[in-house]
Amino acid sequence: GDSVTQMEGPVTLSEEAFLTINCTYTATGYPSLFWYVQYPGEGLQLLLKATKADDKGSNKGFEATYRKETTSFHLEKGSVQVSDSAVYFCALIHVSGNTPLVFGKGTRLSVIA
Amino acid sequence: GAVVSQHPSWVICKSGTSVKIECRSLDFQATTMFWYRQFPKQSLMLMATSNEGSKATYEQGVEKDKFLINHASLTLSTLTVTSAHPEDSSFYICSAPGAPATGELFFGEGSRLTVL
Repeated sequence: GDSVTQMEGPVTLSEEAFLTINCTYTATGYPSLFWYVQYPGEGLQLLLKATKADDKGSNKGFEATYRKETTSFHLEKGSVQVSDSAVYFCALIHVSGNTPLVFGKGTRLSVIA
Repeated sequence: GAVVSQHPSWVICKSGTSVKIECRSLDFQATTMFWYRQFPKQSLMLMATSNEGSKATYEQGVEKDKFLINHASLTLSTLTVTSAHPEDSSFYICSAPGAPATGELFFGEGSRLTVL
């Protein structure tokens, strides 16, 4: 079945450092890929998405590119802030109807001033 | 974007009691809703798919008699944890796909259940 693998956390960075959170997937066909973020005490929010190969999703300074050849969707940000501290989930879905998301295990990011 | 609301956000109950969690789509109709469970510091695990007007589809290992799901209208799905025990303490999150289907799911705020 479909699956998503994320790098293990937690990740601790200093403010303004460069962030990469690796995500690879296993799926049949051409899924859509997402990054969701969960801030402390809150629900999940969509951060960015990409629906086909070579698409780049971006939002709030975060970027991820859908790489079909490497089945990857790594999340990057050039300069993190303390407010970026959260848990980040990579996920995929097949847009063939009402199907659930398949999530990675999540990566906790802590940014220190 | 589409809004999904859950209630209650927090609930504490005694062991053996039942707890109902509501999930509402506020500005769109959802024929399907998904219920996830999140253990501390772990990922979201799909529990069941709630289908309006029909029985829910449960994932392997989820007790359907313990986690009762009802989807009686296009804007409301409920999850009832029956005879709750401390091991049922968790964060329960519902979600619904937007329309038209883009792949994005909209999530409720989540409901934290603590069973004493």
